[in-house]
Amino acid sequence: DGGITQSPKYLFRKEGQNVTLSCEQNLNHDAMYWYRQDPGQGLRLIYYSQIVNDFQKGDIAEGYSVSREKKESFPLTVTSAQKNPTAFYLCATERRAEGTGSRNQPQHFGDGTRLSIL
Amino acid sequence: GDSVTQMEGPVTLSEEAFLTINCTYTATGYPSLFWYVQYPGEGLQLLLKATKADDKGSNKGFEATYRKETTSFHLEKGSVQVSDSAVYFCAPRFSGGSNYKLTFGKGTLLTVNP
Repeated sequence: DGGITQSPKYLFRKEGQNVTLSCEQNLNHDAMYWYRQDPGQGLRLIYYSQIVNDFQKGDIAEGYSVSREKKESFPLTVTSAQKNPTAFYLCATERRAEGTGSRNQPQHFGDGTRLSIL
Repeated sequence: GDSVTQMEGPVTLSEEAFLTINCTYTATGYPSLFWYVQYPGEGLQLLLKATKADDKGSNKGFEATYRKETTSFHLEKGSVQVSDSAVYFCAPRFSGGSNYKLTFGKGTLLTVNP
């Protein structure tokens, strides 16, 4: 989607190294998400944030960390504790709605970062 | 628990053929239902959605109807084009406290040949 920028498009990590993936948005959306995509496994949720300075673990948070210091930015750090980091990482945003209106909101995705191990 | 099952691929069709990709879900409540499409090397794009029973979502010639009685949301297109070649994801949004979690199927790779 226009308005969500993920960088870099390709990233290489050496063993024992931490790397940070960038996600920036200008859609003024409150919520932001990080997903991991592996072949044949769909998307799995790593972390999400519904508001600045707050975030929650998703289904596969081990070996990852995030911060949400600004509404526009939600960087993901892949730490050396993540033993199998090779994957396609997708950032998504969402306009929050009150109460049950949240269930109807779509998520908007960036173009992803492909991380590989050297 | 809440879950989604999507037809496994890959699916290979000739141009102008009819497409169906099956999607069924199991839920304790009534989710909203989404289909996303991913073109090679890109992120996901919302294709269509339906938020209540019997709603029909449609976009770019694709359609899907929210069938509560069969807990299904099958994606259909009457005449596919080469440009429709992509991976398609069914994604129910299940209720879960104050956060409605979007859950993705495993994706179905569609290849359309000229």
